[in-house]
Amino acid sequence: DVKVTQSSRYLVKRTGEKVFLECVQDMDHENMFWYRQDPGLGLRLIYFSYDVKMKEKGDIPEGYSVSREKKERFSLILESASTNQTSMYLCASSKRGAYNEQFFGPGTRLTVL
Amino acid sequence: EDQVTQSPEALRLQEGESSSLNCSYTVSGLRGLFWYRQDPGKGPEFLFTLYSAGEEKEKERLKATLTKKESFLHITAPKPEDSATYLCAVYTGRRALTFGSGTRLQVQP
Repeated sequence: DVKVTQSSRYLVKRTGEKVFLECVQDMDHENMFWYRQDPGLGLRLIYFSYDVKMKEKGDIPEGYSVSREKKERFSLILESASTNQTSMYLCASSKRGAYNEQFFGPGTRLTVL
Repeated sequence: EDQVTQSPEALRLQEGESSSLNCSYTVSGLRGLFWYRQDPGKGPEFLFTLYSAGEEKEKERLKATLTKKESFLHITAPKPEDSATYLCAVYTGRRALTFGSGTRLQVQP
């Protein structure tokens, strides 16, 4: 059974903390994505990566950075967490050639106090 | 700018009452349209990909169709276990998927 796993289901952090969210996929997919999901706004793309060490900004990259040192792992970093980054964060992966469907992880519910 | 609009925002059906969800899009050069199902507290689960106008795909009680301006997800004789949020997304080749905000479907026994 193919899987995308995320390091935490729930996370509570304080304003100003550095936050790391990790995502691992076991499908040997080239593409990996980070989205955030907020009520009424749908899923919005933060960053994506199409290969190891390669990354591209999505629609809302401000306040975030990413790291992809290995093919199976894609990390999202909040350099200095703020309350407006409280959200559900979803990781996804897909085969090379983005016409292919994306497989999603279970999500991390991040609360920044 | 690519836009995806889903309607209605929420839909409540009785078990067995068929209906349709709408996904309208404004994009330049559609390469693919995706439907996902999302249960509360979980990540979206892939349902269908449609690539060209006139294409249809079916899975159990769900049938997805595509025209040049919109897609419909038809639900025939729904059951309570079909209750979920249904998401539509488009891929235009410029970057990753653009999602609509979803339709929350509730099917009552």
